Amino acid sequence: DAGVIQSPRHEVTEMGQEVTLRCKPISGHDYLFWYRQTMMRGLELLIYFNNNVPIDDSGMPEDRFSAKMPNASFSTLKIQPSEPRDSAVYFCASTADRAGAQYFGPGTRLTVL
Amino acid sequence: QKEVEQNSGPLSVPEGAIASLNCTYSDRGSQSFFWYRQYSGKSPELIMSIYSNGDKEDGRFTAQLNKASQYVSLLIRDSQPSDSATYLCAVTGYSSASKIIFGSGTRLSIRP
Repeated sequence: DAGVIQSPRHEVTEMGQEVTLRCKPISGHDYLFWYRQTMMRGLELLIYFNNNVPIDDSGMPEDRFSAKMPNASFSTLKIQPSEPRDSAVYFCASTADRAGAQYFGPGTRLTVL
Repeated sequence: QKEVEQNSGPLSVPEGAIASLNCTYSDRGSQSFFWYRQYSGKSPELIMSIYSNGDKEDGRFTAQLNKASQYVSLLIRDSQPSDSATYLCAVTGYSSASKIIFGSGTRLSIRP
């Protein structure tokens, strides 16, 4: 299996621009998670989906952030407009088991200037 | 009180020695416990999972769980320089078993 796939791996943008991060979970995994990692705050859960349905978005920092999962093999995390404080590494993870271990993608390093 | 607490380190251990990493959690109903390893600039990688009290061994790694004390630990025997990384303790919540709460991680350094 190819594992969780994320794109792009690096993104540099200017404040105010729209940013879209993409994720393909491991085939057969019904749960998909979006995380953000910074030195100050560590690894934070933003939102997770089960069978393409958002279950918990309480970690989404504000309305500038949105996430979708149109089908079982694709999800996006969008930031509009982006701000410098959004600079972080964004990870996507997936799992087949409700309380099982999650498998992480390589991450997208986002820099907002 | 943080939901999952770890000593941030750095923890420095000589090569060949046993490295001991500790973690406490606040949700008494937690059911699943994980240790992830994260190298600098890389994503977290699962190295151990444990679901019941006691010890679980996998190669040089041993995870220990004590639900009564709300404590989980990871032992690394015969530490190697390649073990130098940040180790994240992760725990699922009782109210939402799908959500994993991560500790802030312990940075481990193996000195030659």
